[in-house]
Amino acid sequence: GENVEQHPSTLSVQEGDSAVIKCTYSDSASNYFPWYKQELGKRPQLIIDIRSNVGEKKDQRIAVTLNKTAKHFSLHITETQPEDSAVYFCAASTDISNFGNEKLTFGTGTRLTIIP
Amino acid sequence: EPEVTQTPSHQVTQMGQEVILRCVPISNHLYFYWYRQILGQKVEFLVSFYNNEISEKSEIFDDQFSVERPDGSNFTLKIRSTKLEDSAMYFCAGSRREQETQYFGPGTRLLVL
Repeated sequence: GENVEQHPSTLSVQEGDSAVIKCTYSDSASNYFPWYKQELGKRPQLIIDIRSNVGEKKDQRIAVTLNKTAKHFSLHITETQPEDSAVYFCAASTDISNFGNEKLTFGTGTRLTIIP
Repeated sequence: EPEVTQTPSHQVTQMGQEVILRCVPISNHLYFYWYRQILGQKVEFLVSFYNNEISEKSEIFDDQFSVERPDGSNFTLKIRSTKLEDSAMYFCAGSRREQETQYFGPGTRLLVL
């Protein structure tokens, strides 16, 4: 099955600097890659996602890049703010739509701390 | 904006007892999932559910677990005989279509003593 590795496990950056979180996946059939932000005690919330037919996607201060050949994808947060502090999870899924089988396999998470 | 809801928010139970965790998905969602997150660890897939049947289940989802959608709105996860290692946050999620965004509920924190 799919295995998703995520690095680093913790990351501290100065407010205003950029943060980069990297994930690798094992199943070359995976074709959907969402990123979730989870604040303490709260539900995971989608912040951005990318599908395998594109290499990059951007939404304001957040961008995601995908390298299918190398099987890795990254989250980039620019101009970080204190409210960006949270745990970020990458995930991967494979579209086997005949079976409705689109479970998400999550990475181990990155605890991002923005230092004011 | 509609949200997935879950009840209870917290549940404490004795080992060996049955628990039922409830979820009310967003009304136009067709695909449903249960995930769990042991404290400080990653979110793990348990089971997916579509068209009133299980699509896939993980190795965690053994014979002690079951899911059903009894009335077309609620989506439940039952653990027949809880074990200490079942202590975790359980999240329900749903999506409109396959590989569309999965929206998570707030979770039920289960503690087995």
